[in-house]
Amino acid sequence: AQSVTQPDIHITVSEGASLELRCNYSYGATPYLFWYVQSPGQGLQLLLKYFSGDTLVQGIKGFEAEFKRSQSSFNLRKPSVHWSDAAEYFCAVAYNSGGSNYKLTFGKGTLLTVNP
Amino acid sequence: SAVISQKPSRDICQRGTSLTIQCQVDSQVTMMFWYRQQPGQSLTLIATANQGSEATYESGFVIDKFPISRPNLTFSTLTVSNMSPEDSSIYLCSVSLGETQYFGPGTRLLVL
Repeated sequence: AQSVTQPDIHITVSEGASLELRCNYSYGATPYLFWYVQSPGQGLQLLLKYFSGDTLVQGIKGFEAEFKRSQSSFNLRKPSVHWSDAAEYFCAVAYNSGGSNYKLTFGKGTLLTVNP
Repeated sequence: SAVISQKPSRDICQRGTSLTIQCQVDSQVTMMFWYRQQPGQSLTLIATANQGSEATYESGFVIDKFPISRPNLTFSTLTVSNMSPEDSSIYLCSVSLGETQYFGPGTRLLVL
């Protein structure tokens, strides 16, 4: 069965500092990987996704993530954090649920606090 | 991508009552999903709703408690029936475009 682990429940960084959020997955086939962000009181917004090809993927809001098959990881990074990045971040893996249908398994999320 | 709206955005309900949440998408999609996000938790899939067929429920969720309608390719409803305080959660709908899911803004439900 597939699973996603986000080891850090809560991370605090200073504005302007770099950020890395960790995500490890377990899935028997080629993974489709996603990062979503949930700002306070909001729904989930897709930041970026990896299906195949270049293992470094660029997303919105200056985020990027690197897929490392050998480490089963898909860590999210941003070189300089802005106060507006304070939110909860969810890593997810899509798994085939039959035919061309896919479902998502989510990690438990990492809450990011940004200090001024 | 897809633009998804949900109604209501939030509600406060009394135990024992039912609430129906609407989800509207701006394009025709085959698969729609309903999730629950309990306070401080991640997302849990309730069911998958395909147009023209019965919804498929995940383990731990039943149709009597969470009836779902999917009358066309742009709309779905989720009803939370006979509510208790444990049903206080954010309920999100999503749509699948290939392997990618896009989410609505959520409905924040508080049951007293």
